[in-house]
Amino acid sequence: RKEVEQDPGPFNVPEGATVAFNCTYSNSASQSFFWYRQDCRKEPKLLMSVYSSGNEDGRFTAQLNRASQYISLLIRDSKLSDSATYLCVVNGGQNFVFGPGTRLSVLP
Amino acid sequence: DTAVSQTPKYLVTQMGNDKSIKCEQNLGHDTMYWYKQDSKKFLKIMFSYNNKELIINETVPNRFSPKSPDKAHLNLHINSLELGDSAVYFCASSQEGGSYEQYFGPGTRLTVT
Repeated sequence: RKEVEQDPGPFNVPEGATVAFNCTYSNSASQSFFWYRQDCRKEPKLLMSVYSSGNEDGRFTAQLNRASQYISLLIRDSKLSDSATYLCVVNGGQNFVFGPGTRLSVLP
Repeated sequence: DTAVSQTPKYLVTQMGNDKSIKCEQNLGHDTMYWYKQDSKKFLKIMFSYNNKELIINETVPNRFSPKSPDKAHLNLHINSLELGDSAVYFCASSQEGGSYEQYFGPGTRLTVT
């Protein structure tokens, strides 16, 4: 089993849609969780950290379920500019482990 | 001001050559990293380094070696380049500890011919 797994994608959604990404991790000792986004031919950039109680930043909501070792990202009212690859990132103490990413295309 | 910078942005070279990629961060971070992103877009850590410890991903060939002249720099030296080394290499930095976000450089696209 890979350390971090994500929905394979790609997701093609119309503008205004709500889209959810799922991520699972195998290391139960993991302590820190993040969602990054990566635009085509660019570097990854932090979208948001994921806290145990769940957290929201505008149209973005992240949830963490430690018992199920599961992380989610919900994007409401998708914009064209949300088109990117979304990377789930987990830190188990020594290093950050990136998931393979899920590509999102928001269509006009 | 660029937080994490890398040079060169593009690097085309022949098999067997030795090359270096430079990375600098002006964020005052304690930890720096090198990642490789291959053609399938999978981002894999190669090294993490602070002034106390170098952590090497055991899958990285010993042809790859990080060199840190000071806390703000972590260069990547590659010996005897192979076709399979072609990828985008990203440098990143963060505060020490796993709770802090990483800031990435713009990447170096390496093509080995």
